[in-house]
Amino acid sequence: DGGITQSPKYLFRKEGQNVTLSCEQNLNHDAMYWYRQDPGQGLRLIYYSQIVNDFQKGDIAEGYSVSREKKESFPLTVTSAQKNPTAFYLCASTNREAASTEAFFGQGTRLTVV
Amino acid sequence: AQSVTQLDSQVPVFEEAPVELRCNYSSSVSVYLFWYVQYPNQGLQLLLKYLSGSTLVESINGFEAEFNKSQTSFHLRKPSVHISDTAEYFCAVSDGGTGRRALTFGSGTRLQVQP
Repeated sequence: DGGITQSPKYLFRKEGQNVTLSCEQNLNHDAMYWYRQDPGQGLRLIYYSQIVNDFQKGDIAEGYSVSREKKESFPLTVTSAQKNPTAFYLCASTNREAASTEAFFGQGTRLTVV
Repeated sequence: AQSVTQLDSQVPVFEEAPVELRCNYSSSVSVYLFWYVQYPNQGLQLLLKYLSGSTLVESINGFEAEFNKSQTSFHLRKPSVHISDTAEYFCAVSDGGTGRRALTFGSGTRLQVQP
């Protein structure tokens, strides 16, 4: 079945550590996105990529980094510069050519700083 | 820039009662509108979408939403809710032009259906 796989489902990070969240899709979508979800704030865009080897900052990119070396993969690194990383992280993908198509979401990764 | 406002953070309702979840948006370009549903600790699933044509759109599980351009609204309604409808609902807008194409989400409305 086609879809988006995020791993791990739960992740614990110590202060000062970098961690990488995985996102893989087999939908043959060109565009991929990372969102952060906090209670009462909805989803906020961190980074997005509309094509391999290209990505753009979203609304809250500080403290995060991404890469897009393969069409199927869009990993997100939460760096030690991110002051408040505890949140639920969602990866999504869409067909780049049509703004009207729906976004498909992974099941999310819950990151907790310990 | 686009923005989405969901006016109610929580909506408690009794089973089999009607419900309306409100959504207003602002955008300087044409938009596409979406409602997504999220169950605890899961990703988002598309509930319904408005692209063009009829302003009333329906989902397979009894929800409907009406696009009102003059009021810039896209409210979600269901005439009779079930316990299983308990979830968080997000309204979202997509830039219909040549912008970044990423969805802009509202802050969400938690629907709590009580027996």
